[in-house]
Amino acid sequence: ETGVTQTPRHLVMGMTNKKSLKCEQHLGHNAMYWYKQSAKKPLELMFVYNFKEQTENNSVPSRFSPECPNSSHLFLHLHTLQPEDSALYLCASAPGETTYGYTFGSGTRLTVV
Amino acid sequence: AQKVTQAQTEISVVEKEDVTLDCVYETRDTTYYLFWYKQPPSGELVFLIRRNSFDEQNEISGRYSWNFQKSTSSFNFTITASQVVDSAVYFCALSDGNNNDMRFGAGTRLTVKP
Repeated sequence: ETGVTQTPRHLVMGMTNKKSLKCEQHLGHNAMYWYKQSAKKPLELMFVYNFKEQTENNSVPSRFSPECPNSSHLFLHLHTLQPEDSALYLCASAPGETTYGYTFGSGTRLTVV
Repeated sequence: AQKVTQAQTEISVVEKEDVTLDCVYETRDTTYYLFWYKQPPSGELVFLIRRNSFDEQNEISGRYSWNFQKSTSSFNFTITASQVVDSAVYFCALSDGNNNDMRFGAGTRLTVKP
């Protein structure tokens, strides 16, 4: 256990479905991140939240909608996804100060059918 | 712009061999941080080491060692006497100290065969 918990671990959804990914940390970190990891591609930063405020949206399509109700929880709401959105979605958190590195969750393996 | 290059896509070794994973980075910053992460099959990226740009001392932690050379902009990672449990994807990453801007390399998949 890394201290960052992601649920569900696996998700299969149709292109017309709506689902949400959840990330939770109780490390006292102030920054939280969503990354996308596709096969044979580098890690792609999607969203950044600092102190619950979104500070970066890395040109992510609107079918991905993040939500950060508090510093401990981060959601990624999904709707009308495409098969190419199938990937491992990783959540990470960090203290939010100088860089001590991130703590990652185990990820949600998403398959869009 | 910051960039991290891990030229080795996949490496396969036999148990007990030593293996070095290469990482070359580009940055215009004078202060920056370098990282290595391990991603086992379970999926999470596990933090291995952080090194700041002012500390060029090499580091050894058990079977792991890191060679940081600013002159060649490299931060290579060596596993001595590799074990099957070392099989994973290893990522090198670079940050300028702003947590919003950590760049990851493409990763190197290491397979250690018994």
